Amino acid sequence: AQSVTQPDARVTVSEGASLQLRCKYSYFGTPYLFWYVQYPRQGLQLLLKYYPGDPVVQGVNGFEAEFSKSNSSFHLRKASVHWSDWAVYFCAVSLTSGGNYKPTFGKGTSLVVHP
Amino acid sequence: GALVYQYPRRTICKSGTSMRMECQAVGFQATSVAWYRQSPQKTFELIALSTVNSAIKYEQNFTQEKFPISHPNLSFSSMTVLNAYLEDRGLYLCGARDRDGTLYFGAGTRLSVL
Repeated sequence: AQSVTQPDARVTVSEGASLQLRCKYSYFGTPYLFWYVQYPRQGLQLLLKYYPGDPVVQGVNGFEAEFSKSNSSFHLRKASVHWSDWAVYFCAVSLTSGGNYKPTFGKGTSLVVHP
Repeated sequence: GALVYQYPRRTICKSGTSMRMECQAVGFQATSVAWYRQSPQKTFELIALSTVNSAIKYEQNFTQEKFPISHPNLSFSSMTVLNAYLEDRGLYLCGARDRDGTLYFGAGTRLSVL
């Protein structure tokens, strides 16, 4: 069965510093991979998505992620964090086809940004 | 762009009563809809997957008798929480999937039970 692991429950960075949020996945088949952000008291907003192809995908607000089949990873990166990035980030995986695509989420990583 | 609206944003119901929540996809055709519940600890539970003209697939621990879902067309879905109790509290999120496989979410319906 497919699964997603976000090993860091909480990450703290200083504003302006670089950021990496980790995501490990397991699946059978060809996956779609996603990163979502959730701001306080809001729903999920899509940051970026990976479909089979270029392993590095660009998202909104300067975020990017890199798919690695050998490491089973899809880490999220940002070169310079802004205070407004303070939120919870979720990695998700779903199969690319079939009725049972069943999107699966990690438990989230809470990003704290210090001035 | 693709947007998903959920309403109500917030609702309070008395223990044992029922409440209905709605999900509207705008700007794209939602080939399927996934309903989730997010716990206070932020983890997601998939309740069911609904595809137009197909049977709705409920996850373990969730049943049609408790969470009936309607998905009449490619832009609308609704779910009812029947006989709500304290353990049903949480943020209910609707994820609408477009033809490319991307899941877009609404802002959620937060359910409180008194």
